[in-house]
Amino acid sequence: EPEVTQTPSHQVTQMGQEVILRCVPISNHLYFYWYRQILGQKVEFLVSFYNNEISEKSEIFDDQFSVERPDGSNFTLKIRSTKLEDSAMYFCASSRRPLPGLLNIQYFGAGTRLSVL
Amino acid sequence: DAKTTQPPSMDCAEGRAANLPCNHSTISGNEYVYWYRQIHSQGPQYIIHGLKNNETNEMASLIITEDRKSSTLILPHATLRDTAVYYCIVKEGGNKLVFGAGTILRVKS
Repeated sequence: EPEVTQTPSHQVTQMGQEVILRCVPISNHLYFYWYRQILGQKVEFLVSFYNNEISEKSEIFDDQFSVERPDGSNFTLKIRSTKLEDSAMYFCASSRRPLPGLLNIQYFGAGTRLSVL
Repeated sequence: DAKTTQPPSMDCAEGRAANLPCNHSTISGNEYVYWYRQIHSQGPQYIIHGLKNNETNEMASLIITEDRKSSTLILPHATLRDTAVYYCIVKEGGNKLVFGAGTILRVKS
């Protein structure tokens, strides 16, 4: 069964460093997403991406964040200068093009645990 | 904020049916109800979705009331591996999923 894969599973970094989280979405999917979950809190939407551009982003997704689809298979989330409060699980998801009736099944990866020290 | 209301936690005996309720009284006519679950902070796992009719797949059944203001996810024979946080989501505008706190389901032997 196709699945979304994320690497690394755990990333440890120093405050102020740049990190890149990687995702390989399901191959025939066209929409890509990043979510995050701070320990003990809800899963929060960060950004959605379609046709090589951001289609929606949340208030969390500020100038420190960027996304990219550098090739035909990878989808990355970059945090330019990490802060302590960026420590969280980051989940990538993908979906087929949403249908007019708003059906949009998103499939999630296992996540990357980012620890900022 | 999420458009759904779920009980914070439920217990279920192993082998019995787990019935997880969800209220979504403000759902609009073309919005789907999605159910996901999250085991031990793993990625959310899609379970099932529905619009108006009841639905069943290999994981669960979804019963939606006629007025669509509430639904129930049924795990027919719960196992210990079904212990997780279950999220009922009504898709809002845009493509994002809005997760609430969900229901913590504890399956006990």
